[in-house]
Amino acid sequence: DGGITQSPKYLFRKEGQNVTLSCEQNLNHDAMYWYRQDPGQGLRLIYYSQIVNDFQKGDIAEGYSVSREKKESFPLTVTSAQKNPTAFYLCASSMYSSWQGIIFGPGTRLTVL
Amino acid sequence: DQQVKQNSPSLSVQEGRISILNCDYTNSMFDYFLWYKKYPAEGPTFLISISSIKDKNEDGRFTVFLNKSAKHLSLHIVPSQPGDSAVYFCAARANAGNMLTFGGGTRLMVKP
Repeated sequence: DGGITQSPKYLFRKEGQNVTLSCEQNLNHDAMYWYRQDPGQGLRLIYYSQIVNDFQKGDIAEGYSVSREKKESFPLTVTSAQKNPTAFYLCASSMYSSWQGIIFGPGTRLTVL
Repeated sequence: DQQVKQNSPSLSVQEGRISILNCDYTNSMFDYFLWYKKYPAEGPTFLISISSIKDKNEDGRFTVFLNKSAKHLSLHIVPSQPGDSAVYFCAARANAGNMLTFGGGTRLMVKP
């Protein structure tokens, strides 16, 4: 079955620690995205990548970093510089050449204690 | 500056009745609109979409209407079912690009 995998489902970290959220897709999609969901604020774009080894900042990139070394993988690191990291993080992907919307992964709930 | 707005954070409807979720946008370059449905602690799933060259698209119980002059779209669910209870996000794409801009979401509660 093709899809997007995010692990773990729930993640707890102490304040001041960096944490990396994984995202893998086997849909052969070109583009990948990271969104953050906060209550009442909808989905806000953190980073996106249209091709391997290239990525761009979204609307709220401060305190986050990403890499895109493989087409299938787009990990997100939440650094200690992110002032309010507790949120629900969603990875997504899409075809670039035949865009029909984006497909989301199941999400990771990050809680910083 | 929110380019896509869903002004109703929540909506409560009786089972069997119509649910109408609204979305307004400001960017004239948006050419494609989508609705996503999201259950708690899960990723959003695609529901229905509409191109800016159309004013209506229907898929079973779900219909999306687009009024370009008013920069307004709406999602109609008829009849509403308890399983429709979720958060619904409106999203828009500009200039045949790859990016989506999302609204803040509307929580729909369908009461049995």
